[in-house]
Amino acid sequence: DGGITQSPKYLFRKEGQNVTLSCEQNLNHDAMYWYRQDPGQGLRLIYYSQIVNDFQKGDIAEGYSVSREKKESFPLTVTSAQKNPTAFYLCASGDRSYEQYFGPGTRLTVT
Amino acid sequence: DQQVKQNSPSLSVQEGRISILNCDYTNSMFDYFLWYKKYPAEGPTFLISISSIKDKNEDGRFTVFLNKSAKHLSLHIVPSQPGDSAVYFCAASGLGTGTASKLTFGTGTRLQVTL
Repeated sequence: DGGITQSPKYLFRKEGQNVTLSCEQNLNHDAMYWYRQDPGQGLRLIYYSQIVNDFQKGDIAEGYSVSREKKESFPLTVTSAQKNPTAFYLCASGDRSYEQYFGPGTRLTVT
Repeated sequence: DQQVKQNSPSLSVQEGRISILNCDYTNSMFDYFLWYKKYPAEGPTFLISISSIKDKNEDGRFTVFLNKSAKHLSLHIVPSQPGDSAVYFCAASGLGTGTASKLTFGTGTRLQVTL
């Protein structure tokens, strides 16, 4: 089955702790993306990567970090510097077309 | 600065009728537009797209219309079905082919199709 997996589906952390969200794809896509969804604000781009070992900041990268050591994987770390980390996080991948394919998402709650 | 706007946060339509979801954009560099459908606690799924060289694209019950001069696009769903109840996101891209696209999303419109 080709697709994108994100784990876990729900994640709870204490304030001040870093947390890493997993994203894996077996679609052989070069590009991968991380978005954040908040109520009433749509999807906002955090980071994206067009190729292995390369990534760029999106619109709201502050407080986040990523790595792209493998084509299949694009983990996102939410650091303690992110002021409002509680959100629904979506990972996506794409080839050289415009369409992006999304994973099921991870809901992160920080208390 | 919201470059892609969906001014209607919600829409309610009777089953069998037409649903019309609207989207406006401000960046004239956008040349490709997409609609995604999203159920709660799931990732968005691609629905239909349109290139700026066209003014209409149709796929089954779904049709997207693009008015470049007005910087406006709309998604028509005919006939609407209860399973269409979801949040619909409009997205736009300004990159040409051959490179991975960055999409700018609107804030979404929640469609409810009633019996």
